[in-house]
Amino acid sequence: NAGVTQTPKFQVLKTGQSMTLQCAQDMNHEYMSWYRQDPGMGLRLIHYSVGAGITDQGEVPNGYNVSRSTTEDFPLRLLSAAPSQTSVYFCASSYGQGGSGANVLTFGAGSRLTVL
Amino acid sequence: AQSVAQPEDQVNVAEGNPLTVKCTYSVSGNPYLFWYVQYPNRGLQFLLKYITGDNLVKGSYGFEAEFNKSQTSFHLKKPSALVSDSALYFCAVRAMDSNYQLIWGAGTKLIIKP
Repeated sequence: NAGVTQTPKFQVLKTGQSMTLQCAQDMNHEYMSWYRQDPGMGLRLIHYSVGAGITDQGEVPNGYNVSRSTTEDFPLRLLSAAPSQTSVYFCASSYGQGGSGANVLTFGAGSRLTVL
Repeated sequence: AQSVAQPEDQVNVAEGNPLTVKCTYSVSGNPYLFWYVQYPNRGLQFLLKYITGDNLVKGSYGFEAEFNKSQTSFHLKKPSALVSDSALYFCAVRAMDSNYQLIWGAGTKLIIKP
């Protein structure tokens, strides 16, 4: 049982480059989300999805795109990387569509991105 | 505005002593409250949650938290700290009128000294 798998673990980009952070879960969770973690700021929600074909913006969506073609996968795309996107990115999933309120998130191990 | 505050960036405790990591919140309606822990270079792990009922909630690794509605607090506690409890702790609240998304505190680094 792998849980939530994120790749790559580390990535260095130059300003203006694009890349995709991969996230896959094998728990048949409906809800998936992407967060970024910056020192002293906790976690900030970038995008989330409540099921295949359904995505929505979180608190800090600018510069990022997502899609959800399958229940298992939820990739995060950086369109044109900027130094302000240097961060640690976490994918998280849960049962339900997030609407029940009590669902617990399962997190991936994180992807550390540096933009030069 | 809805928010979660963890007033201490860092908490230092000697091994064997009780520990408290503080969390206060400001949301409308009845909140769902959570504590997560992050060990170095790892993702976050769920510790415990308060939904309704008994104000004292017990969770993983001997941790517990007390919901105090009048003080809008949800402090994390453990009677006897272990060195292995050293980690980053996050409080989060899910508010009913925020599309059920979590609002996160900034995190508190807990250091347990032998």
